[in-house]
Amino acid sequence: DAKTTQPTSMDCAEGRAANLPCNHSTISGNEYVYWYRQIHSQGPQYIIHGLKNNETNEMASLIITEDRKSSTLILPHATLRDTAVYYCIVRVHSGGYQKVTFGIGTKLQVIP
Amino acid sequence: NAGVTQTPKFRVLKTGQSMTLLCAQDMNHEYMYWYRQDPGMGLRLIHYSVGEGTTAKGEVPDGYNVSRLKKQNFLLGLESAAPSQTSVYFCASRPSGGSYEQYFGPGTRLTVT
Repeated sequence: DAKTTQPTSMDCAEGRAANLPCNHSTISGNEYVYWYRQIHSQGPQYIIHGLKNNETNEMASLIITEDRKSSTLILPHATLRDTAVYYCIVRVHSGGYQKVTFGIGTKLQVIP
Repeated sequence: NAGVTQTPKFRVLKTGQSMTLLCAQDMNHEYMYWYRQDPGMGLRLIHYSVGEGTTAKGEVPDGYNVSRLKKQNFLLGLESAAPSQTSVYFCASRPSGGSYEQYFGPGTRLTVT
């Protein structure tokens, strides 16, 4: 699986959009980009995933660059409850074991 | 729908003691996973299962055993606990098919003294 690089931490003002970047410059053509988040002391929570088109759901939007080497998770109106660690991972869609790394992620602090 | 539940939530063990962590899911998912999370290390996969009666090793399997006798349950065993196994343990499940949308449990905080 391709390695991902994320900033260690970010701040965002409450009510503003939070834009969390992820670099995955070695991503291969059949690897999807996934985002999860982990609110303090809880289990990780799936947010969104995509292959090459931009995706949106009730939680967030995912923007993937045309060359697919980077992506941005957008929380359109951040709230205090969005304070969490956000993980960007990439993997293929196939069964069986794949070594998927939930790295350190980005610690997002939403500020009142 | 309870989703993924884990038992117990907290546990303190002495070195050498044994215990079993239970993970249960009510979503009829085929795949189940056990992770551990340590400060600064992210989540690391211990063992996983692709279906009832099958298990396989993940990234850090040493010192742990697992069983999947029923589709809804995935047990993680520590036969002889060591201080290095002090961690937060998360269970996850997902349906079969390629999507990697995993559903995680609330975690078990284990301390080995």
